[in-house]
Amino acid sequence: NAGVTQTPKFQVLKTGQSMTLQCAQDMNHEYMSWYRQDPGMGLRLIHYSVGAGITDQGEVPNGYNVSRSTTEDFPLRLLSAAPSQTSVYFCASSIDKAPTDTQYFGPGTRLTVL
Amino acid sequence: DAKTTQPTSMDCAEGRAANLPCNHSTISGNEYVYWYRQIHSQGPQYIIHGLKNNETNEMASLIITEDRKSSTLILPHATLRDTAVYYCIVRSPYAGNNRKLIWGLGTSLGVNP
Repeated sequence: NAGVTQTPKFQVLKTGQSMTLQCAQDMNHEYMSWYRQDPGMGLRLIHYSVGAGITDQGEVPNGYNVSRSTTEDFPLRLLSAAPSQTSVYFCASSIDKAPTDTQYFGPGTRLTVL
Repeated sequence: DAKTTQPTSMDCAEGRAANLPCNHSTISGNEYVYWYRQIHSQGPQYIIHGLKNNETNEMASLIITEDRKSSTLILPHATLRDTAVYYCIVRSPYAGNNRKLIWGLGTSLGVNP
């Protein structure tokens, strides 16, 4: 199993540009989520999904869109990038059955918005 | 979910046991204690979790006090590869609670040769 994969690893955008961060998992997990991690702060949840066709907002959803058309993929879209979105983005997946729903994280995407 | 308190940083000599404390004095009776770690620039990695009994797996041991207000993660023979930030998280056992996890800043463990 590849686990959770994310692309790209690094990205530089100009303010106002749009892009999609890709996330895929091959473990047939129902639950997938996106976090951002900024210096001096813990991981913060952006959006999550409990299955194909179902998404919901996390703690910091503004400026981001998600969709989940398949179990495997959960892309994160930045519609109009802003410098405040400079961060490291992590995708995670898990089964949706507590308490064994430990999360598996991808390697991260480091995004800089100029 | 209850909040946790961890020291900002700790050091440990290579080959010795690393004992990482976590305080969770407001933990409820059905809340679990989870530990994750994040090696520099990588995504967090699950280590272990427990409810009230001590737990051990191939990575670490988790000791939870009898009153459950604190716990200790033990890496029995720390190596340089264990240098990472360690997160202690308390959460309820219900499905859906991954959405509510509070990730603090964790403990930065430095393992010295």
